[in-house]
Amino acid sequence: QVELQESGPGLVKPSETLSLTCTVSGDSISTYYWTSIRQPAGKGLEWIGRIHASGSTSYNPSLKSRVTMSVDTSKNQFSLKLSSVTAADTAVYYCARVQTEGLGENWFDPWGQGTLVTVSS
Amino acid sequence: IQMTQSPSSLSASVGDRVTIICRASQSITKYLNWYQQRPGKAPKLLIYSASSQQSGVPSRFSGSGSGTDFTLTISSLQPEDFATYYCQQSYSTPYTFGQGTKLEIK
Repeated sequence: QVELQESGPGLVKPSETLSLTCTVSGDSISTYYWTSIRQPAGKGLEWIGRIHASGSTSYNPSLKSRVTMSVDTSKNQFSLKLSSVTAADTAVYYCARVQTEGLGENWFDPWGQGTLVTVSS
Repeated sequence: IQMTQSPSSLSASVGDRVTIICRASQSITKYLNWYQQRPGKAPKLLIYSASSQQSGVPSRFSGSGSGTDFTLTISSLQPEDFATYYCQQSYSTPYTFGQGTKLEIK
């Protein structure tokens, strides 16, 4: 059974870089695309980006200038970095596997439990 | 692509049949997924590709639609179904979600 676990600092100072790691167990990270999604308290879900083990990435244009995703196949992990954070970046950050059947036909399953990141001085 | 759900909130009773609507700002063919999120938990996939039921999801959950209009139906509400439901399009990036429908106990 595939499980994902997010890890990283729960508190980041404004203007600094948020760094999170998603560790995948029960499956090889090389097989799928992987994605990051965030959710501010009491609000909806926002897609951040996706990455394949090949290094291929796609980011949300609203965050693209600040987002970097990378994969470490040796550790079965992928990482998210979001630079120049502000209070608006305070949210629960989730990672998930992207299941794909074909072009456009993909969905997110399973998800990690999520980790709260607060941006504050 | 903008996704709009209606209603934003819904009160219903155990045993009721409920329908949640999701509308896309342009055609997304069948590339629409539904998730359930209970308080304090991660979203859980219910339906993918508009009408395919994820393994392990109770049969009372069903999805339909194509193009721009989609529905999620719960045939007979159970206590554990009171949660927030999100639709999500995978037709093109950036993937986008609806604003959510909060299903509450009447």
